[in-house]
Amino acid sequence: AQTVTQSQPEMSVQEAETVTLSCTYDTSENNYYLFWYKQPPSRQMILVIRQEAYKQQNATENRFSVNFQKAAKSFSLKISDSQLGDTAMYFCAFMKHNTGKLIFGQGTTLQVKP
Amino acid sequence: NAGVTQTPKFRVLKTGQSMTLLCAQDMNHEYMYWYRQDPGMGLRLIHYSVGEGTTAKGEVPDGYNVSRLKKQNFLLGLESAAPSQTSVYFCASTFTDPGGYGYTFGSGTRLTVV
Repeated sequence: AQTVTQSQPEMSVQEAETVTLSCTYDTSENNYYLFWYKQPPSRQMILVIRQEAYKQQNATENRFSVNFQKAAKSFSLKISDSQLGDTAMYFCAFMKHNTGKLIFGQGTTLQVKP
Repeated sequence: NAGVTQTPKFRVLKTGQSMTLLCAQDMNHEYMYWYRQDPGMGLRLIHYSVGEGTTAKGEVPDGYNVSRLKKQNFLLGLESAAPSQTSVYFCASTFTDPGGYGYTFGSGTRLTVV
């Protein structure tokens, strides 16, 4: 069975600085997807970034980028130029190819301080 | 285009009562899911459906039943609510090719069982 682990329950960062959230996962699958979701106080689940396991190039979406280390089964999220609106819970998630079922980590609460 | 709509948004039940949570999507998605979110545990899959008339168990199905009589609706039922079912429930849907794109969550239902 696949598992996803986020070892940082809480983190904080000063506005405009850079922060990295950690995620590790365990799987024997070769084809899968990895995601970072943001959940602000509104409770809405918002997709931040997506990585396909067969792609070696790390995904980037504006200020958000990932460091995908397939052999180490590590998938960290880097947020550059942090903004107050980035304050939220962040979830790392795994999806086995062609199943649609997401497996989530425990979440990391990020607070951006002015 | 409303996306995924969950009703109700909040509910308080007494132990032993029954209720049904309704999820409706207007995106013609084939796959639909019910997750629950508990503090410190991320989201966990309860049941899912890969098409009209089909349902399957997820990671934590005990105490819940589901039905998918119409493609756009996915119902989650609690026959005899227990305090352990106090949680936030999320519905989600996606296309037939669930590569992560188009994965849409509802805004959640906060259920308290007293």
